[in-house]
Amino acid sequence: GQSLEQPSEVTAVEGAIVQINCTYQTSGFYGLSWYQQHDGGAPTFLSYNALDGLEETGRFSSFLSRSDSYGYLLLQELQMKDSASYFCAVRADQAGTALIFGKGTTLSVSS
Amino acid sequence: GAVVSQHPSWVICKSGTSVKIECRSLDFQATTMFWYRQFPKQSLMLMATSNEGSKATYEQGVEKDKFLINHASLTLSTLTVTSAHPEDSSFYICSAYHPTLGRGGEKLFFGSGTQLSVL
Repeated sequence: GQSLEQPSEVTAVEGAIVQINCTYQTSGFYGLSWYQQHDGGAPTFLSYNALDGLEETGRFSSFLSRSDSYGYLLLQELQMKDSASYFCAVRADQAGTALIFGKGTTLSVSS
Repeated sequence: GAVVSQHPSWVICKSGTSVKIECRSLDFQATTMFWYRQFPKQSLMLMATSNEGSKATYEQGVEKDKFLINHASLTLSTLTVTSAHPEDSSFYICSAYHPTLGRGGEKLFFGSGTQLSVL
């Protein structure tokens, strides 16, 4: 089967740095994406890695190691508005474009 | 970025009735759209892939006769929950694939979701 594992919850304080890990086991692999979702809202795209290494986008960075089937999302200078659920997602089919989502990590940022 | 509109944003219906949810790509043509279902505090589960002009491809365990998908034009896909029951209550989200914009997951644009409550 296909599975993506990530921690269910993470807590941190404003200004801190948080890392959310994701390990995956899928039939194929064509890239790892990260999404943010606030309660009742749609997922919003954060970052994408197709090759090994670090991608940086402002306060958010994402890392991928294909040999380890592992990636992480790094959130820096945390703000209260970063409190949300974060999902890693894999495109497992070269021909298709659907994403398989992890179970999500709920991040709570306190002051 | 591209815009995907989903309606209604919430719906309450009686058990046994059918509910139709619309997903429109407003500023691009989407040959492929996806329907996801999400229960509270859980992941987005892919239900089906909707291809314009052809039958939808359903994921294992998703009842085709229960969740009817129609993708009659390049900008519209609909999901009809037939004979809805309380266990169908969930958050349904569509997404549309943009072939040239962005990379990877960035190519998927999500609707705002529909919260379905079946009484």
